[in-house]
Amino acid sequence: KAGVTQTPRYLIKTRGQQVTLSCSPISGHRSVSWYQQTPGQGLQFLFEYFSETQRNKGNFPGRFSGRQFSNSRSEMNVSTLELGDSALYLCASSSIGTSGRDTDTQYFGPGTRLTVL
Amino acid sequence: AQSVSQHNHHVILSEAASLELGCNYSYGGTVNLFWYVQYPGQHLQLLLKYFSGDPLVKGIKGFEAEFIKSKFSFNLRKPSVQWSDTAEYFCAVRRYGNNRLAFGKGNQVVVIP
Repeated sequence: KAGVTQTPRYLIKTRGQQVTLSCSPISGHRSVSWYQQTPGQGLQFLFEYFSETQRNKGNFPGRFSGRQFSNSRSEMNVSTLELGDSALYLCASSSIGTSGRDTDTQYFGPGTRLTVL
Repeated sequence: AQSVSQHNHHVILSEAASLELGCNYSYGGTVNLFWYVQYPGQHLQLLLKYFSGDPLVKGIKGFEAEFIKSKFSFNLRKPSVQWSDTAEYFCAVRRYGNNRLAFGKGNQVVVIP
């Protein structure tokens, strides 16, 4: 099976702009989660989507949003970019996510490196 | 809020030395436990996982981890490291029934040839 793919791999934006990142999960996986990775804060959970619905949300401002499509592909959007939004944004997929079974392991994509100038 | 602690953020070893990385979490309910590894320039990869059963789990590349419920710990070990084990290692915990992973701050491991 192909792994999790994310596009684009690199982005440079300026403060105040908005950005959309895309994630395609492993075939058959219905849960997509997003994480932000920075040197200072480490890996932090942004949100999770399952069957086109946001099922879980981390502690990020409303400028961070996402959605999921019927084919399980997901996008996240950051509006009014700030310098502190510079980070590696990781997408992870799992089959259902809440069964507690081995199939619910999250597999990560390569990430999108966002730089805000 | 659930927290995950990893100590000794920077670890430097010589090849063939043994490695042990500690991971402690604060949640008292049923959890799933993971170790992920991020090699230089590569994406986050699963090293091993614990869902239930034998608390000693074996992963890829000779790594193993032991779940000690009474100590809320899931420590990672490798008896003899190689230069190629140079990477950042992350412990992650997930509450049963919830798909949100809580990560530790990571251990940057450098293996000197």
